[in-house]
Amino acid sequence: AQKVTQAQTEISVVEKEDVTLDCVYETRDTTYYLFWYKQPPSGELVFLIRRNSFDEQNEISGRYSWNFQKSTSSFNFTITASQVVDSAVYFCALRHGSGNTGKLIFGQGTTLQVKP
Amino acid sequence: EPEVTQTPSHQVTQMGQEVILRCVPISNHLYFYWYRQILGQKVEFLVSFYNNEISEKSEIFDDQFSVERPDGSNFTLKIRSTKLEDSAMYFCASSYRGREGTEAFFGQGTRLTVV
Repeated sequence: AQKVTQAQTEISVVEKEDVTLDCVYETRDTTYYLFWYKQPPSGELVFLIRRNSFDEQNEISGRYSWNFQKSTSSFNFTITASQVVDSAVYFCALRHGSGNTGKLIFGQGTTLQVKP
Repeated sequence: EPEVTQTPSHQVTQMGQEVILRCVPISNHLYFYWYRQILGQKVEFLVSFYNNEISEKSEIFDDQFSVERPDGSNFTLKIRSTKLEDSAMYFCASSYRGREGTEAFFGQGTRLTVV
């Protein structure tokens, strides 16, 4: 079975704090893909990053960084020096590598509130 | 920048009525999807569509639902006889490839309210 767990339902930080959003996944596939999406209050889903299962290199993009650990089946997302505009719901998602559909399995989401 | 466009942004319908949600995927994409998000909950997969046919559907996607790509640009989701529990945000998405890890880009969503 494929599953994504985001254990943190809500996180509240003060601006400029660093914050890490956790994501744990389950899959039997050897090839799979992991994603993070941001859902701001306006409601749309904004793609942030894709990580392939065969590439464990961590990635940094500005204030955002992602830590992929196959050994613990985790794909955590860190925002450095958070800003009010980072306030949103963040979803981690999994896509299996077999088949042809590209179906995404989402976690429950973590609501991040950044206070000024 | 290319984007997925959905119309309408909000639709209110009476229980039992048919609704059609419309989407214009990114033009060179080949895979199309519908997802839904009940208020405050996670995003759930409904259906994927490739090469003019459904490639996968979830348990939610029962006989009341259908999808169509009537021309080269539009992708629609039809709910034949809406129920109260169909109230949700419906997202259309598209990607260039499905099997490979190419990311899906989502539209801004259609909020469906069934009364």
